[in-house]
Amino acid sequence: SQTIHQWPATLVQPVGSPLSLECTVEGTSNPNLYWYRQAAGRGLQLLFYSVGIGQISSEVPQNLSASRPQDRQFILSSKKLLLSDSGFYLCAWSVQGSSYNEQFFGPGTRLTVL
Amino acid sequence: AQSVSQHNHHVILSEAASLELGCNYSYGGTVNLFWYVQYPGQHLQLLLKYFSGDPLVKGIKGFEAEFIKSKFSFNLRKPSVQWSDTAEYFCAVMGNTGKLIFGQGTTLQVKP
Repeated sequence: SQTIHQWPATLVQPVGSPLSLECTVEGTSNPNLYWYRQAAGRGLQLLFYSVGIGQISSEVPQNLSASRPQDRQFILSSKKLLLSDSGFYLCAWSVQGSSYNEQFFGPGTRLTVL
Repeated sequence: AQSVSQHNHHVILSEAASLELGCNYSYGGTVNLFWYVQYPGQHLQLLLKYFSGDPLVKGIKGFEAEFIKSKFSFNLRKPSVQWSDTAEYFCAVMGNTGKLIFGQGTTLQVKP
């Protein structure tokens, strides 16, 4: 069966520090991968998605970047964190080419920028 | 642009009460519709989905939702809630872009 992992689970970082959040998927190959952010009192906002290694689409202009160095690995990064980057970050995957497009979510990382 | 609106941000019910959470979307084309749930301390997981066919969709744990195309709505219902239904509920829409657009979520608190 497929599983999705995210780490760390929680993170507290000072403003201006770098960020690296990691997501890995097991039990499937060539998945679509997604990064979402949930800010307090708001819904989930799609940040990035990827249909393959090295292929990243950005949905909103922001202080973050994403990379996909391996088929089942998706990384969210920042060179210098802002206070507004605080939130709950979720990684998700879906089957490529599926007409159902159901997305499966990881446990999330809660990021607090102080 | 696609958007999803959930009318209730925080709902408090007693056990055995009936539940209806509103969801309206804005999109002119064919849509796939979803309700996701996040129980405390757990992953976001799919509750039910609509792609085509019968507009009344049944999901896990006794939940159902009805797609009313003329009203652009996909409301979630359960006849009798339990304490274990305490969670955050998200409505989501996917159009032909393949991107999932979420509503802002509704926190449901069920009192025993």
